[in-house]
Amino acid sequence: EVLLVESGGGLVKPGGSLTVSCVGSGFNYYTYTMTWVRQAPGKGLEWVSSISSGSGHIYYADSVRGRFTVSRDNTKNSLFLRMDTLRVEDTAMYYCVRETPLSLDEWGQGTLVTVSS
Amino acid sequence: VLTQSPATLSLSPGERATLSCRASQVISTYLAWYQKKPGQAPRLLIYDASKRATGIPARFSGSGSGADFTLSIYSLEPEDSAIYYCQQRSNWWITFGQGTRLEIK
Repeated sequence: EVLLVESGGGLVKPGGSLTVSCVGSGFNYYTYTMTWVRQAPGKGLEWVSSISSGSGHIYYADSVRGRFTVSRDNTKNSLFLRMDTLRVEDTAMYYCVRETPLSLDEWGQGTLVTVSS
Repeated sequence: VLTQSPATLSLSPGERATLSCRASQVISTYLAWYQKKPGQAPRLLIYDASKRATGIPARFSGSGSGADFTLSIYSLEPEDSAIYYCQQRSNWWITFGQGTRLEIK
């Protein structure tokens, strides 16, 4: 069974930093591109960032580029998203997602990040 | 840009739902559909425009190519109540439609 488990969410003040993590199991983690998708309260799904299997290709949405940094550790089946200079509008559930060439096929349950003073 | 219509759909059990997703440019068949229920992670329903994901009932059907795509849900059941999103990957970025809320009366 494929499992993706996120952690690290919480309450942070505007301008602060936070790192969320994800651990994958039940599949060959090192062969997959991994992606972060978020959903703000009452809003739709928004792609945040993707990182290729070997970390050679990294992409960000315009809304987070320059503030967020994605990374992975294939020895620990782990994915990370470091978020700096957080804004109120970054408040969202952050989902760790496995990506295939044609879809986002497996999703974690998400970790909630709240940016508020 | 992906534009979904209608924004909301209200149907009765047993009816058929037809959800539309229109791309601002041709995107071949890389088009996926997801179901999102409150408190749950999104679930992949359809990929490559028309292929059902593992474990998805045959009531869910995807069609289309180019820039116009459709998700059809036959014989609606109460548990189909959810928001449905289409999604594409274009070069290096991923885009979602704004979603269609399906309500089962």
